[in-house]
Amino acid sequence: GAVVSQHPSRVICKSGTSVKIECRSLDFQATTMFWYRQFPKQSLMLMATSNEGSKATYEQGVEKDKFLINHASLTLSTLTVTSAHPEDSSFYICSARGSIESPLHFGNGTRLTVT
Amino acid sequence: AQSVAQPEDQVNVAEGNPLTVKCTYSVSGNPYLFWYVQYPNRGLQFLLKYITGDNLVKGSYGFEAEFNKSQTSFHLKKPSALVSDSALYFCAVRGFSGGYNKLIFGAGTRLAVHP
Repeated sequence: GAVVSQHPSRVICKSGTSVKIECRSLDFQATTMFWYRQFPKQSLMLMATSNEGSKATYEQGVEKDKFLINHASLTLSTLTVTSAHPEDSSFYICSARGSIESPLHFGNGTRLTVT
Repeated sequence: AQSVAQPEDQVNVAEGNPLTVKCTYSVSGNPYLFWYVQYPNRGLQFLLKYITGDNLVKGSYGFEAEFNKSQTSFHLKKPSALVSDSALYFCAVRGFSGGYNKLIFGAGTRLAVHP
């Protein structure tokens, strides 16, 4: 089955630093990738949608300068949390799909802790 | 507006008994419906989807879901629950906004199967 690899699985950083999270589709070309944020015991909140080679589309209320998304190739998207603060601590999950009819395939998530 | 409702925060079932996790949706046009499962500190795994065809959809790990258009429901079912089925289950509907198709998730239902 389709595999999406997300790295790192856990990261602890100091307030004010930036953190990059990678999301790779390993065995298919992902025309569209999605980034979600999940708070404890809550559902997934869509942050942004990215298509290869174009700018990401951010959901309302998500700061694009805070959460930089790059979808440089059909197999790689990155999310950079810039100048992280403790309130950015969360579980971030990426997902990818090949075609519009395909189900989403999810990475295993990244637990970000900002101290 | 497109939305998904999972009315139960938690479902408790004895091992070997049938289980049902409820989901209702609101979407204009024909719905594309999905069920995903999430284990602790992991991403989501695809279980099954309904796009068209038979109202009873069979998916992974013995799960199935029944699409009911008149009741706008897509309940997840399994004839005999296993302790290993204990996890967080998300129902989702495909919506369209901002120029993209995207998944809209319900709040999630925690399934606890006890021996």
